[in-house]
Amino acid sequence: QSVLTQPPSVSAAPGQKVTISCSGSSSNIGNNYVSWYQQLPGTAPKLLIYGNNKRPSGIPDRFSGSKSGTSATLGITGLQTGDEADYYCGTWDTSLHVVFGGGTKLTVL
Amino acid sequence: EVQLVESGGGLVQPGGSLRLSCAASGFIFNNYDMHWVRQATGKGLEWVSTIGPHGDTYYSGSVKGRFTISRENAKNSLYLQMNSLRAGDTAVYYCARLGGTWGALDSWGQGTLVTVSS
Repeated sequence: QSVLTQPPSVSAAPGQKVTISCSGSSSNIGNNYVSWYQQLPGTAPKLLIYGNNKRPSGIPDRFSGSKSGTSATLGITGLQTGDEADYYCGTWDTSLHVVFGGGTKLTVL
Repeated sequence: EVQLVESGGGLVQPGGSLRLSCAASGFIFNNYDMHWVRQATGKGLEWVSTIGPHGDTYYSGSVKGRFTISRENAKNSLYLQMNSLRAGDTAVYYCARLGGTWGALDSWGQGTLVTVSS
């Protein structure tokens, strides 16, 4: 059972938009920055969003992040088949431990 | 270019020990917190342990008392000593760098597979 709650799966057609939610508590998301990670099949996770809504160099602006209270959301617009991956949210808790969501599998239909 | 390369994984019997290594390059290693994160096959990411630049350490409840994280800054290397291994420790183990002040793991290695089985 993961500390942060994500939907197990989401799907949408190419070119469409999808959002992935991440729910936590005041002990984690409520008082810390949220990051998002993309894990393509068979590869290591890759940082997608940091500081709630910032994109590392090289990440297209089709990817966006937001946070409100104890929840965060990842948005992906202009979906491409290459976006099919598992997406994880992550943050810290009051014990200075990293916590992750259970992951969301994105299918581009 | 930041690179993290794990090694040391393999097959070990329950109750056995294994030491993982992570070789870092492309950045000033002793300026960064480093982490171990694991992923069982078909499962999500699970944080394992953190070590600060000067050796302060943190562990998840599932490994505390069995695993020891360490680093050798002169060799740009991170380690994870795993003792009293259990079947539930079977996973790919990734080392990752904590980048900047935003609390994000901005660089990851390719992972090394640890299998605990008789």
